[in-house]
Amino acid sequence: DAGVIQSPRHEVTEMGQEVTLRCKPISGHNSLFWYRQTMMRGLELLIYFNNNVPIDDSGMPEDRFSAKMPNASFSTLKIQPSEPRDSAVYFCASSRQGLVRDGYTFGSGTRLTVV
Amino acid sequence: AQTVTQSQPEMSVQEAETVTLSCTYDTSENNYYLFWYKQPPSRQMILVIRQEAYKQQNATENRFSVNFQKAAKSFSLKISDSQLGDTAMYFCASANDYKLSFGAGTTVTVRA
Repeated sequence: DAGVIQSPRHEVTEMGQEVTLRCKPISGHNSLFWYRQTMMRGLELLIYFNNNVPIDDSGMPEDRFSAKMPNASFSTLKIQPSEPRDSAVYFCASSRQGLVRDGYTFGSGTRLTVV
Repeated sequence: AQTVTQSQPEMSVQEAETVTLSCTYDTSENNYYLFWYKQPPSRQMILVIRQEAYKQQNATENRFSVNFQKAAKSFSLKISDSQLGDTAMYFCASANDYKLSFGAGTTVTVRA
């Protein structure tokens, strides 16, 4: 299995621009998570999908952030407009439903820099 | 809500020696799971070891073992025979239902 695949690996953009981060979960995993990692706040859960449906989006910082999961094999996290404080590493992770005991499998992350 | 505390920002250990990382957590749940993740400079998050709260036996994975003290809500990680490749940031995490909550991390440096 190729694992959780995220793209791009690095993204540098100017303030005010739209940014789209992409994730392909492991086949057969029907739970998907987006996390953000910063020095100040550590790892924070942004949103959780189960069977392509958003279940918990309480961690999404503000309306500039949106996430979609149009099918079981693809998810996007969009920031519009981007701001310098959005600079962080964004991780996507997946797991089989109801099997949090197995932990999540994480992608390699996207390092976002907003200048 | 679950909170996870790692009180050691940094640890340094000589190659082949043993290092122990501390973690405490707070949860009101009876059934939960605990994890240690490793994040090397490549930034990949790698699951090192997991523990189910209802199991009293401490989990072991090769050179990695935990000391799970449920009453004290403590979950420490011991790395034995440290290797240079163990240099990384280590995160303790707890989970109930679907959500993983992470501690702030401990940076471990293995010296040659």
